[in-house]
Amino acid sequence: QVQLQESGPGLVKPSQTLSLTCTVSGGSISSGGYYWSWIRQHPGKGLEWIGYIYYSGSTYYNPSLKSRVTISVDTSKNQFSLKLSSVTAADTAVYYCARAIRLDYGDYLDYWGQGTLVTVSS
Amino acid sequence: DIQLTQSPSFLSASVGDRVTITCRASQGISSYLAWYQQKPGKAPKLLIYAASTLQSGVPSRFSGSGSGTEFTLTISSLQPEDFATYYCQQLNSYPFTFGPGTKVDIK
Repeated sequence: QVQLQESGPGLVKPSQTLSLTCTVSGGSISSGGYYWSWIRQHPGKGLEWIGYIYYSGSTYYNPSLKSRVTISVDTSKNQFSLKLSSVTAADTAVYYCARAIRLDYGDYLDYWGQGTLVTVSS
Repeated sequence: DIQLTQSPSFLSASVGDRVTITCRASQGISSYLAWYQQKPGKAPKLLIYAASTLQSGVPSRFSGSGSGTEFTLTISSLQPEDFATYYCQQLNSYPFTFGPGTKVDIK
């Protein structure tokens, strides 16, 4: 059973960089056919797809965040990471990491981490 | 970006009711659509992919249909554990976008 676990600071100051790591267990991040994803959810709101990375390093980002987002992968640690720069209060959200499996008609988020709340505040 | 709308945004139903949620896309997305269920404080759970394929382990009372711009999620007989918020997501083109959600509450 694949499990994902987010880790990182729960409080980030405005203008700084939010950094989160997702540790994958129960499966190898280097397995083909999966895209390692980040999604966020503002408090009491809907879901926003941030982007994902293939184990080879290929990335796809949401254009609304592209100038501030970097997703990277460390296959030796079976982890992938999210960095979001120049954060503001609008980046306060629950951040989820998830696995997207490539199936017929799309890349579906079949395993999710529990989510971690990141608050941007001084 | 492809915009998704869901209707209703909120519905109140009883155990045993048949429930239908609609998701509409701002442009055609073929069958590139997923449905997720989210309970408070929990991560979303994949229910349906490719518009109508039931994810492994999901009860058969859940079903999905549609293609192009209009899709439906149906719960044939609502169970107590089904009270949650449901989201659709399009996977046709980047960025992958979600609908605003439909909250299913107990009548």
